[in-house]
Amino acid sequence: DAGVIQSPRHEVTEMGQEVTLRCKPISGHNSLFWYRQTMMRGLELLIYFNNNVPIDDSGMPEDRFSAKMPNASFSTLKIQPSEPRDSAVYFCASSSFTIAKNIQYFGAGTRLSVL
Amino acid sequence: SQQGEEDPQALSIQEGENATMNCSYKTSINNLQWYRQNSGRGLVHLILIRSNEREKHSGRLRVTLDTSKKSSSLLITASRAADTASYFCATDGETSGSRLTFGEGTQLTVNP
Repeated sequence: DAGVIQSPRHEVTEMGQEVTLRCKPISGHNSLFWYRQTMMRGLELLIYFNNNVPIDDSGMPEDRFSAKMPNASFSTLKIQPSEPRDSAVYFCASSSFTIAKNIQYFGAGTRLSVL
Repeated sequence: SQQGEEDPQALSIQEGENATMNCSYKTSINNLQWYRQNSGRGLVHLILIRSNEREKHSGRLRVTLDTSKKSSSLLITASRAADTASYFCATDGETSGSRLTFGEGTQLTVNP
């Protein structure tokens, strides 16, 4: 398996623009997680899905953030409108309790810079 | 405060020395995991220890778990410059489902 695939790897955009981050989890995994990592705040869980259903979105900072998982092999995290304080590295991770006891497999991340 | 807090925040050692990192947590857990993150990369799972285990080994890694003290330690023996990375502990509790709670991490620097 290719692992968790995120795109794009880098995104530079201007304040006010819409940003869409994409994630393809490992085949067979039924849980998907979106994290944000900054020097100031560390690693923060934004939202996670079980079997494509959002379970906990309490970490989503504002209504400007939204996430979807239309099927088991794809998820998006959208920021609209983007702001400079959204600049961070965004990670997607997937896991399966039955296959691997909740061990999470992370993608390489998307480094977002909002100017 | 956050479940899963590492200590120290930063550690600098010479190649060949052992590195010990500690993690404390607050609530009952099912498992505790350690992850590694190289600069600019995603986290990578290293080792998992169950709540009914006290010690586990994997290569140069040794993990201990003390549920009475709600703490764990990660020992890396005979460190190498390539071990330079951030190390995070993560816990899953009895009510957290598939969610993990990550600590703030220990930045390990191994000097050649």
